Amino acid sequence: AQKITQTQPGMFVQEKEAVTLDCTYDTSDPSYGLFWYKQPSSGEMIFLIYQGSYDQQNATEGRYSLNFQKARKSANLVISASQLGDSAMYFCAMREALFSGNTPLVFGKGTRLSVIA
Amino acid sequence: DAGITQSPRHKVTETGTPVTLRCHQTENHRYMYWYRQDPGHGLRLIHYSYGVKDTDKGEVSDGYSVSRSKTEDFLLTLESATSSQTSVYFCAISEPLLQTSNYGYTFGSGTRLTVV
Repeated sequence: AQKITQTQPGMFVQEKEAVTLDCTYDTSDPSYGLFWYKQPSSGEMIFLIYQGSYDQQNATEGRYSLNFQKARKSANLVISASQLGDSAMYFCAMREALFSGNTPLVFGKGTRLSVIA
Repeated sequence: DAGITQSPRHKVTETGTPVTLRCHQTENHRYMYWYRQDPGHGLRLIHYSYGVKDTDKGEVSDGYSVSRSKTEDFLLTLESATSSQTSVYFCAISEPLLQTSNYGYTFGSGTRLTVV
């Protein structure tokens, strides 16, 4: 079974509007972390935001926020006031066993976001 | 920043030839990872290392081997390249996230490998 599911292969958003990218995850481990990465056309992987399973508040980083709904096992990325430079591929990822040393990230298949002027 | 360098950045090779990709880091991080990225699949883990000479297999390890004889270098080898191994390969390290007790992951710039 897929551990990370991103159901939106592609999305369009108007410049200056907000957009939500969906991510659901599957784990039985109570200790896990969720990550979002951005990959522009140049190819580099850029870390955006992190949410730990024990964090009480939703993570925010500038225009990025993570809508964490633990019971639904969802960790949607919200980008406010979209900019043309936000056009990119976005990946949701998870790491389990948060306090047991380092374990690899598992990625979803990604969502390609296109911002329209 | 982690200071990760992947080499080469681009390579074209023939089917059946051996290929080695190098990941070099400058900050003495213990954990290193190799992923491949293919359209429609996201990033998939090939192998990872948790120290010198300590490595483990990932989801798509068949046809790949790794070595880590020094902390700073993590090598990925395709013993006999096949067309199905045409991909973009990313190396990553994990390092502490600021103001948390957890780790973030920093990626190299990637190696685009084409097997013809």
